[in-house]
Formats: sequence, structure tokens, C-alpha cells
Amino acid sequence: EPEVTQTPSHQVTQMGQEVILRCVPISNHLYFYWYRQILGQKVEFLVSFYNNEISEKSEIFDDQFSVERPDGSNFTLKIRSTKLEDSAMYFCASSWDSYSNQPQHFGDGTRLSIL
Amino acid sequence: DQQVKQNSPSLSVQEGRISILNCDYTNSMFDYFLWYKKYPAEGPTFLISISSIKDKNEDGRFTVFLNKSAKHLSLHIVPSQPGDSAVYFCAAIPRAQAGTALIFGKGTTLSVSS
Repeated sequence: EPEVTQTPSHQVTQMGQEVILRCVPISNHLYFYWYRQILGQKVEFLVSFYNNEISEKSEIFDDQFSVERPDGSNFTLKIRSTKLEDSAMYFCASSWDSYSNQPQHFGDGTRLSIL
Repeated sequence: DQQVKQNSPSLSVQEGRISILNCDYTNSMFDYFLWYKKYPAEGPTFLISISSIKDKNEDGRFTVFLNKSAKHLSLHIVPSQPGDSAVYFCAAIPRAQAGTALIFGKGTTLSVSS
């Protein structure tokens, strides 16, 4: 079964450094998402992306965050200047259809640890 | 701001019995509801969904019930199996528009003992 793949599985970064999290969505999917889960808290939406544009973003997704689809397969999340509170599991997801009932399929996540 | 609430952090059930996981929501405009299952070190896996215009959806051992007047939904697993032990997340979609954020509850950890 096709799956969303994320790399790396664990990223350790010094505070203030830039980090790029990578995702390969399912190949025929059109909509891409990033979520995060801080330890002990809910999974929270960051951003959705369609047709090379952000379609929706949350309050968490401020100017230090950006997303990009640099080629036909990858979808990246960049955090420009990391803070301690950015430590979390980051999940990429994708869905294929324009109907809201199509489920989003999640990758296994990248654990980001900011030191 | 807890639009989707799962008030039971954990549930323990014996193998073969029914597991009932509950979820409450506050926004009457939610369009779809979904249940995801998550094992440690893995991402959430979609289980089953229900439209706000229905009151029941069934898929094998999994049934989701929606009570709109009570703003409550539940996931029934019958019969429960040890492999069902995982964290279960209830999620909602605010409107019928693609690319819309899922709003998650905090999750309920289900433990099924053999």
C-alpha cells in the first residue's frame, strides 16, 4: 500500500539553527499537510498546500515556518530559526481528492529535538 | 480551545469484548468526523469516518455512531483484539473544503488484554 515517507526520523538541532524536514507524499495525492505534536499534547495543524500554494495555515505557522514543493515528489517544512518550543513530532500528511471526506494519510513523523 | 474532546485518557478491555471510545465536540458546523489509530513510533492511521448527515457507519469490526443533538460520537470495536491496543484519535473537519485542517482530540489509549 502506498505510504507517506518522512526523513529524517529524528533530527537534533541547536537553538537558532535552521532545519528542513522532508516528506514524500503518496504519488497521486494533490493536497499536502504538516502537523505537529508536542509531547503530551494534541496533534495540531500547521499548514496545508495545494497547487504550489498554501491553502490554509494555523496561528502556529508564523514567519519562521515555510513550506515548499521543490520537485514533483518532495514536500518540505523549513523552520528558519529554531526555538526550544519547536521540539515536537512533526507529521506530514497527504490526501488525493477535492472532497473533504477523503482521509489524510500520515507519515511516521520526524522527532525534532532543539537543544 | 478544545473543539474536540476525548475525556477518557485510557481504556482497558478484555480480548473478545466490545471497546467503546467516546468523543465530544463543540462546533455544530463540523462536516466530517474521523477516527485514527496510532501505534508508538508510527503516524496516525485512518480507521473510519462519518459524515455529519449520517448517524452510523460500519466497517468490519469498527462502527462509528454520531449523535448530533448531543454533539457526541463513539467508536465501537467488536470483538476487541490485542492488536487493537493503540492510541485512538477522534478528529473533525470544520467544513466541506479540501485542504482543510483536521482538528484532533487528545486521544484515548486502548489496552486490550488476552
